[in-house]
Amino acid sequence: ETGVTQTPRHLVMGMTNKKSLKCEQHLGHNAMYWYKQSAKKPLELMFVYNFKEQTENNSVPSRFSPECPNSSHLFLHLHTLQPEDSALYLCASSQGGTGQPYEQYFGPGTRLTVT
Amino acid sequence: AQSVTQLGSHVSVSEGALVLLRCNYSSSVPPYLFWYVQYPNQGLQLLLKYTSAATLVKGINGFEAEFKKSETSFHLTKPSAHMSDAAEYFCAVLHSYNNNDMRFGAGTRLTVKP
Repeated sequence: ETGVTQTPRHLVMGMTNKKSLKCEQHLGHNAMYWYKQSAKKPLELMFVYNFKEQTENNSVPSRFSPECPNSSHLFLHLHTLQPEDSALYLCASSQGGTGQPYEQYFGPGTRLTVT
Repeated sequence: AQSVTQLGSHVSVSEGALVLLRCNYSSSVPPYLFWYVQYPNQGLQLLLKYTSAATLVKGINGFEAEFKKSETSFHLTKPSAHMSDAAEYFCAVLHSYNNNDMRFGAGTRLTVKP
């Protein structure tokens, strides 16, 4: 595997379900990100992890819970979601640290549908 | 706070014609700017980035962008469009130097007509 991988690619879940999205990067990076991409809206940054420490949480509802066990893996745990949470969820990674314009590398995304 | 605005949510060109996708930025400090492309059912792929070196930046697939401070612009161009260029394009600015917080524009969908 190369680059950034995400599983599953598609997920349909009911509002009472619990599921998890998985992201893995094979680039040796130390920063990882979750984004939400909804139709007709700009990409929304949800969470940032830098060297496994969460450094950003953009007022994301608690029904979304991130986990970063190591610098290569990132999870997004989902529970009691709402239909408006249906979107493409993108994972990205970059070199870690601060103050440098590191570009981010994106995975293919998980298309989530909440019924 | 840093932000970008993409002018035109949809651009249509003929194959072989010039591609021009517009992006204006707002930044209180010298900005770091990026262009990404997203093909259907895929993630975003970096086309090019501006990091205060040369103002004309060349990227992949024949694209380039010019940083113009006086116009606060970072427009993306390609001399001759190919059918394979049809995709959504996003301009982005590094919002926070502390955590690589990147802010994206709303995107421009490029259609290429035969």
